[in-house]
Amino acid sequence: NAGVTQTPKFQVLKTGQSMTLQCAQDMNHEYMSWYRQDPGMGLRLIHYSVGAGITDQGEVPNGYNVSRSTTEDFPLRLLSAAPSQTSVYFCASRGGLAYEQYFGPGTRLTVT
Amino acid sequence: QQQVKQSPQSLIVQKGGISIINCAYENTAFDYFPWYQQFPGKGPALLIAIRPDVSEKKEGRFTISFNKSAKQFSLHIMDSQPGDSATYFCAASKGRALTFGSGTRLQVQP
Repeated sequence: NAGVTQTPKFQVLKTGQSMTLQCAQDMNHEYMSWYRQDPGMGLRLIHYSVGAGITDQGEVPNGYNVSRSTTEDFPLRLLSAAPSQTSVYFCASRGGLAYEQYFGPGTRLTVT
Repeated sequence: QQQVKQSPQSLIVQKGGISIINCAYENTAFDYFPWYQQFPGKGPALLIAIRPDVSEKKEGRFTISFNKSAKQFSLHIMDSQPGDSATYFCAASKGRALTFGSGTRLQVQP
């Protein structure tokens, strides 16, 4: 059981470039979410999904797209990176009626 | 609007001392209050959690105290150890989404 995995661990982008952050879980969890972590601001919810084919916006969705074609995968896309998107990104999953969320190890993204 | 306010921002405690971190929330619909522990370079991991129908929950050296009328909850770490040095986040949940506090960096000095 790998839990929640994220790739890449580190990424540097130039302003305007696009990229996809990958997230996968092997726990058959229905609920998956993306957070960004910035100093002094805790973790803020970007997008979430309650199952394959169903996604919704969180607190800070602008500049990010998501899709959920399978239960296991929940990629986060940056269409045109901006310096304000420099952050650490965490993917999390949660199963059924359980409240506990399991977090991945994070992706540190720098946009120059 | 910050729905969960956490203090202090940083905390230094001597080994064997008690670490106390406080959080206050605004939304009375929140029904689950977890604390997460995060070590550098790692994702947050659930430490302990409480529902609003109890006033205290203890797991080993970690205790959550919950005051529903004041809309406050706190984490107490008894006999703090250097291995407890990490960033701690409180959170609150209504349904599936978690709202996090801003975090407290705890340093336990040997």
